[in-house]
Amino acid sequence: GAGVSQSPSNKVTEKGKDVELRCDPISGHTALYWYRQSLGQGLEFLIYFQGNSAPDKSGLPSDRFSAERTGGSVSTLTIQRTQQEDSAVYLCASSLDAAGGNTEAFFGQGTRLTVV
Amino acid sequence: AQRVTQPEKLLSVFKGAPVELKCNYSYSGSPELFWYVQYSRQRLQLLLRHISRESIKGFTADLNKGETSFHLKKPFAQEEDSAMYYCALSQGYGNKLVFGAGTILRVKS
Repeated sequence: GAGVSQSPSNKVTEKGKDVELRCDPISGHTALYWYRQSLGQGLEFLIYFQGNSAPDKSGLPSDRFSAERTGGSVSTLTIQRTQQEDSAVYLCASSLDAAGGNTEAFFGQGTRLTVV
Repeated sequence: AQRVTQPEKLLSVFKGAPVELKCNYSYSGSPELFWYVQYSRQRLQLLLRHISRESIKGFTADLNKGETSFHLKKPFAQEEDSAMYYCALSQGYGNKLVFGAGTILRVKS
């Protein structure tokens, strides 16, 4: 596709369940980011991938959160034992991140997660 | 660590009035600064970057290294400018993008 694709677009889950959020970046983009957008909290950085490796996981809020990226493409963000405070819009972005500094990030439409 | 500060959560102006969305950053090197915008029910998208030194939709932003600021300005606000605006910083190749908390701009008729 032409843009960053995220699925599902909406997810309602019960407290304590595990969820997986998927991100398909733009083909050829080596950098991939996960952010969380909460009401009144702005855009919170979660994790950043360069290729398949994650040089910066500093934003993951707890060990219930994990992410992986395979084949330098699709990424999955997993939240285990979800809590109500995990409710937010989870945004994925990708960028070319080539030497030369073209670090414009292209965003997906997000996954709205609601934990009930 | 790098940080981006947007001191205003909400900025409300009348149509035709000048707009300035403030952004300050902390980073000791040479950062790349961006403004991203999210219109209602649309995905977050790049508005402009300091490297390009361009005006997009009438908006401009000048990087002031002395004041570590990258304020977004427009001389005459339009109703269609109403959106959430995020200032962002990158240390360049191989580094993450760090966003500010965002400012909601409301342009009233």
